[in-house]
Amino acid sequence: EAQVTQNPRYLITVTGKKLTVTCSQNMNHEYMSWYRQDPGLGLRQIYYSMNVEVTDKGDVPEGYKVSRKEKRNFPLILESPSPNQTSLYFCASSSQGAVGYTFGSGTRLTVV
Amino acid sequence: AQSVTQLDSQVPVFEEAPVELRCNYSSSVSVYLFWYVQYPNQGLQLLLKYLSGSTLVKGINGFEAEFNKSQTSFHLRKPSVHISDTAEYFCAVTYTGFQKLVFGTGTRLLVSP
Repeated sequence: EAQVTQNPRYLITVTGKKLTVTCSQNMNHEYMSWYRQDPGLGLRQIYYSMNVEVTDKGDVPEGYKVSRKEKRNFPLILESPSPNQTSLYFCASSSQGAVGYTFGSGTRLTVV
Repeated sequence: AQSVTQLDSQVPVFEEAPVELRCNYSSSVSVYLFWYVQYPNQGLQLLLKYLSGSTLVKGINGFEAEFNKSQTSFHLRKPSVHISDTAEYFCAVTYTGFQKLVFGTGTRLLVSP
């Protein structure tokens, strides 16, 4: 089944403790992206990647890092999480030439 | 810069009534438009998309949307809603040749019996 898989689905952590949210797609898509969803703000793009080793900032990149060493994986790294990063995070992928993303099921992160 | 406006944060409606969820976008170039649905505690599912051609687009679950270039709108409609349509609906836009989706703030559709 074609899908985008995120892990974990739920995560509670403490301020300053580094964490990684994994994202993997099995569709051989070139494009991958991370979004965060906050009430009243919709979804905002954090980072995106157009292919292996090619990444760029989205609208709200502060406090986040990404890497794209393999085509299928696009992990989101929070080096020193803060409470304002408490949010629902979505990973998404798309193939070159196609329009529109396939989304993962989301990761609900709480930073206390 | 691209932006998407969903004027209604919440739309209450009775079961079997028609509904329209409004979406307006701003862009100076050709755009692709999308509606996504998010059921409680789930991810985003594509309802429908407009790429080109007919301005009336039909999607899943009986939803349809009409692209109106002169009014820069892409309103979502359903002639008769069901309880199971209760969800949050997001309008999104991207422009030709670029993969970034810009989302609206969402409209919560509440269907009651």
